[in-house]
Order: sequence, then C-alpha cells, then structure tokens
Amino acid sequence: DSGVTQTPKHLITATGQRVTLRCSPRSGDLSVYWYQQSLDQGLQFLIQYYNGEERAKGNILERFSAQQFPDLHSELNLSSLELGDSALYFCASSVGSNYGYTFGSGTRLTVV
Amino acid sequence: AQSVSQHNHHVILSEAASLELGCNYSYGGTVNLFWYVQYPGQHLQLLLKYFSGDPLVKGIKGFEAEFIKSKFSFNLRKPSVQWSDTAEYFCAVTDNYGQNFVFGPGTRLSVLP
Repeated sequence: DSGVTQTPKHLITATGQRVTLRCSPRSGDLSVYWYQQSLDQGLQFLIQYYNGEERAKGNILERFSAQQFPDLHSELNLSSLELGDSALYFCASSVGSNYGYTFGSGTRLTVV
Repeated sequence: AQSVSQHNHHVILSEAASLELGCNYSYGGTVNLFWYVQYPGQHLQLLLKYFSGDPLVKGIKGFEAEFIKSKFSFNLRKPSVQWSDTAEYFCAVTDNYGQNFVFGPGTRLSVLP
C-alpha cells in the first residue's frame, strides 16, 4: 500500500456517459497529480493540484475536469466518454514535485 | 520544454544477465531525475532518485543509476537481473523548481527464467 488511495479500481461504462474518479493523497502530501496511461500514448500528465488550487495542466481534454477539496482529496471527472478514453488513470501525490511522486494503484476505465 | 527519451522499447534478458536501460533528457538547467518501475498490473513505484551530490545513485532492489551531466543521461543498471524484475521502467525528470515533471515512454523488461 503506497498510501495513495484510488477508487474505484475498475469502471466499465458506455460511450457518452460521465464518471468520477477519486483519489486520496498520502498523509501530509499537498500536491495531487492525475495521469492517463494507455498503450498507444504511454503515461500522459493531465493536471496537478496543490493545496486546493490548480497548479499545472498537461494534455487534459476539455471534456475532463478535476478539483481538489479542502481535505486534499481530488476527483477527476470525465464526461462525454469515448472509446479512446479507455485507459488506466493514476493519481499521484507528493510533498513537493521535486521530491518524486507516490502513485496510487490506478483506476482502470473501460468505455464500451 | 523538457523531454525524456528511453532508448529501448523492449529488452529481453536471461536471469543473471546484467542490465542497462538508457535514459536521456533534454533540459538546459538543473534537473532532478527519477526511475520508476511498474510491475504487471501494479502502480508505479519509485526505484531511485537523483537531486545532487554523488552522481551514482543506489536504489531499491539492487538497482543503481548514474547521472552524466555532459551526456544528459541517467542510465539505470543492475548487475544481475532476476525473473521478478520483469516490469516496465520509466525515467522521469523535473526541473529544480519541481515543475514540469516529465516521464519517458518507458522500457519494458522481460527476464526469462
């Protein structure tokens, strides 16, 4: 157990639907990062939050959004889902990003 | 913008063989470097990291990496691999301000028993 908790572990949904992925960071970590891992795109950075505020944005689609709550947990919202959104979504947390990340076990999203 | 390249897409070795996985980055300033491992079906785990000081960094499970600034490289090594090292290995770099954390495309290592 890395200390970063992601739920659910698996999610199967239909195209056009909306899902929410949840991440609880390791205790004491203020930064939360979301990554998408797919076979063809590799590990892609989506977005970073630090203590409730958006800090950096990567290759995140407009259909996707995220937020970090006062208790520091974060949610990634994926809407109007397409088949190509099927991937592993990882959350990571850190005290500060130059100290390295601790990753959660991921949520496997399958869009059918 | 920073980028990270990993020389090999897939490496196949027999047990007890020596391992070296290449990693090169492009960034002109001071960097922090990392190697992560992802075992089949699992999350990424930190193997080792370099911030400053001795360019030869020792990590967990017998892995080490050497930072060669002149070559912009941070290659991962292990003298004798085991079947349990079968995994995907990712090199990553961030600038000294902790921004722009970039992962390489990964190298898949298969160790044959």
